[in-house]
Amino acid sequence: DAGVIQSPRHEVTEMGQEVTLRCKPISGHDYLFWYRQTMMRGLELLIYFNNNVPIDDSGMPEDRFSAKMPNASFSTLKIQPSEPRDSAVYFCASSPTGGNQPQHFGDGTRLSIL
Amino acid sequence: GDSVTQMEGPVTLSEEAFLTINCTYTATGYPSLFWYVQYPGEGLQLLLKATKADDKGSNKGFEATYRKETTSFHLEKGSVQVSDSAVYFCALSESTDKLIFGTGTRLQVFP
Repeated sequence: DAGVIQSPRHEVTEMGQEVTLRCKPISGHDYLFWYRQTMMRGLELLIYFNNNVPIDDSGMPEDRFSAKMPNASFSTLKIQPSEPRDSAVYFCASSPTGGNQPQHFGDGTRLSIL
Repeated sequence: GDSVTQMEGPVTLSEEAFLTINCTYTATGYPSLFWYVQYPGEGLQLLLKATKADDKGSNKGFEATYRKETTSFHLEKGSVQVSDSAVYFCALSESTDKLIFGTGTRLQVFP
């Protein structure tokens, strides 16, 4: 079975540009999570969805970040305008249900903002 | 609020050595506890879990026991291999759908 698929794997762009990260969750999983990982702050939950509806976006750092889930098989995380401090690895994860069910992670997008 | 504290790394071991990575947690209720592993260039993978006190999770030679009295979930392996080199994350899930992660502990195993 295919796991969580993220694209692109690497993104290098200049400050001020719009960045769009994409995620395809595992089919049948109702929950989708976006995380950011940096050396300084570790792994941070940005936002999560249940049945395509955003449930908690309290981890989104500021208005430059937005996330959507237009259907059960696709989600995007957008940064506009991007800044060098947004450089990080962004992970998407999905799980069949919430609570104590394990989350399945994609391989991440390594984002570098110059 | 809920939190997870892990020992600082890196942990450096020779092959076949015994491994312990400490994890303690703070929670108001009875959380489920997890260990995830992250290999270089990859996302996190579930290694093992335990959902109630005194449960032991195990996988690939790794074990961890849910200790309510000490609020701990220490990861152990009797004989590590070079291929176990990775970052290990302890996490908990309580009444919400979110996972609370520790900061991660890097393990380096040398032949």
